[in-house]
Amino acid sequence: DAGVIQSPRHEVTEMGQEVTLRCKPISGHNSLFWYRQTMMRGLELLIYFNNNVPIDDSGMPEDRFSAKMPNASFSTLKIQPSEPRDSAVYFCASMPGAEADTQYFGPGTRLTVL
Amino acid sequence: QKEVEQNSGPLSVPEGAIASLNCTYSDRVSQSFFWYRQYSGKSPELIMSIYSNGDKEDGRFTAQLNKASQYVSLLIRDSQPSDSATYLCASLSPGGFKTIFGAGTRLFVKA
Repeated sequence: DAGVIQSPRHEVTEMGQEVTLRCKPISGHNSLFWYRQTMMRGLELLIYFNNNVPIDDSGMPEDRFSAKMPNASFSTLKIQPSEPRDSAVYFCASMPGAEADTQYFGPGTRLTVL
Repeated sequence: QKEVEQNSGPLSVPEGAIASLNCTYSDRVSQSFFWYRQYSGKSPELIMSIYSNGDKEDGRFTAQLNKASQYVSLLIRDSQPSDSATYLCASLSPGGFKTIFGAGTRLFVKA
């Protein structure tokens, strides 16, 4: 299996621009997570999907952030408009099912907002 | 706010020594605990999970759980330079999905 796939791996953009991060979970996994990691705040859960349905988005920082999962093999995290404080590494992770507990992380997207 | 606390380190040990990493958690109902390893510039990967009080061994790694003290630890025996990484402790509440991660402890193993 290819593992969790994320794109792009690096993104540099200017403040105010829209940013879209993409994730393909491991085939057959029905739970998907978006995390943000910074030196100051560590690894934070942003949103969790189960069977393509958003279950908990309480970690989404503000309305500038939105996430979708239109089907079992694709999810996006969008930031509009982006701000310098959004600079971080964004990880997508998938899990075989709600009853399982091992999360498999993608390689991450390093976002820099100038 | 449910938390997982770890000493950020860095923890420096000589090659061949035992590295001891510690973690405390605040949510008493947590049932599942994990240790993830994260190399610099890479994503976290699960190395150990533990659910019951006591010790769980896997190769050079031993996880220890004490629910009464709300304490989790990871021992790495015969530490190798390749073990140098950040180790993230995490907990999962029963019936939940939300894994709470600690800030991580940086480990350096000196050759």
